[in-house]
Amino acid sequence: TQLLEQSPQFLSIQEGENLTVYCNSSSVFSSLQWYRQEPGEGPVLLVTVVTGGEVKKLKRLTFQFGDARKDSSLHITAAQPGDTGLYLCALATTNKLIFGTGTLLAVQP
Amino acid sequence: ETGVTQTPRHLVMGMTNKKSLKCEQHLGHNAMYWYKQSAKKPLELMFVYNFKEQTENNSVPSRFSPECPNSSHLFLHLHTLQPEDSALYLCASSQEAFRGNQPQHFGDGTRLSIL
Repeated sequence: TQLLEQSPQFLSIQEGENLTVYCNSSSVFSSLQWYRQEPGEGPVLLVTVVTGGEVKKLKRLTFQFGDARKDSSLHITAAQPGDTGLYLCALATTNKLIFGTGTLLAVQP
Repeated sequence: ETGVTQTPRHLVMGMTNKKSLKCEQHLGHNAMYWYKQSAKKPLELMFVYNFKEQTENNSVPSRFSPECPNSSHLFLHLHTLQPEDSALYLCASSQEAFRGNQPQHFGDGTRLSIL
């Protein structure tokens, strides 16, 4: 069974700070998706990474896929209260997504 | 507006009640999913439907019974639930079920509490 570990589990920071969250697996990914789930809502896709070493940027969010395709990171620059939410990584298999344990981020104004 | 609508948003029921959760997608997708989200656990896939046919049952107890009358609607019928079934139940859709790389579009969930 493939397992995705995310760290840290919880993160509380002040507005304007930078942060990085991680997603790790013992297995090689074919591709990985990152979702954000805001309170009271369902997860929303942020990005899909496919190629080892790939870097994608979405405004203040930078996503990186590890060279060996077993890990990924999400870096947020100058965090804002609107970034608050649960960040989920998901491993794509042939017929389903396997979700990680999540990082709960709170950005204080 | 996510394109996937779930009703009701909140449900409180006793262990002997029968109720149903409803999901409707307006995205023209052919695959629909039920997930369970509990505190401190990863999102758990329950059922997958592709072109109205059930293609995955992730060892879900029979007290959860899914129904997919067409590609746009998905139901989860609940009967004789246990307190540990209290959770957020999320519905999702995607273009097709056997393309794992495709994004899934989620509804906002039904918060279920079993008394």
